[in-house]
Amino acid sequence: DAGVIQSPRHEVTEMGQEVTLRCKPISGHDYLFWYRQTMMRGLELLIYFNNNVPIDDSGMPEDRFSAKMPNASFSTLKIQPSEPRDSAVYFCASSFQGSNQPQHFGDGTRLSIL
Amino acid sequence: GEDVEQSLFLSVREGDSSVINCTYTDSSSTYLYWYKQEPGAGLQLLTYIFSNMDMKQDQRLTVLLNKKDKHLSLRIADTQTGDSAIYFCAESPSNSGYALNFGKGTSLLVTP
Repeated sequence: DAGVIQSPRHEVTEMGQEVTLRCKPISGHDYLFWYRQTMMRGLELLIYFNNNVPIDDSGMPEDRFSAKMPNASFSTLKIQPSEPRDSAVYFCASSFQGSNQPQHFGDGTRLSIL
Repeated sequence: GEDVEQSLFLSVREGDSSVINCTYTDSSSTYLYWYKQEPGAGLQLLTYIFSNMDMKQDQRLTVLLNKKDKHLSLRIADTQTGDSAIYFCAESPSNSGYALNFGKGTSLLVTP
């Protein structure tokens, strides 16, 4: 079975540019999560969706970050404009019936903002 | 919020047992999880334990849960070099919706 698929795997861009990260959750999963991983702060939840609806976006750092889930099989996380401090690994995860069910992670997007 | 605490590093010899410890924060967490992250990869779910259990065994992995002390441990028997990775403990606090609260991870190094 295909797991959570993220693209791109790596992204290097200059500050000020728009960055779009993509995620395809596991088919049938109704919860989707975006996390950010840095050395300093570890893994932080940014936002999560249930049935394509954003439920909690309190972890989104600031207005430069936005996330959408237009359908059950696709989500995007956008940063505009990007800044060097946004450099991190961004993970997408999905789960079925979210509450207390294991979350399955993608391989992440390693983002470097120069 | 409060932090899930893990030691940062652990080094063991191949063939020995490894024990990775974690102290979590929310006694109402229904499940507690262990994830493994290899270099450049995502988080792989290793195992998880329901909060009304004290122990769960899965092949070389044994999870022990002490709810009174909010202490979770992961024991890896007969540790192999392929077990070298970062291991994350995670809880699902009742006040965080469905978000997982992760520790900072324990880097396990297995030497021949």
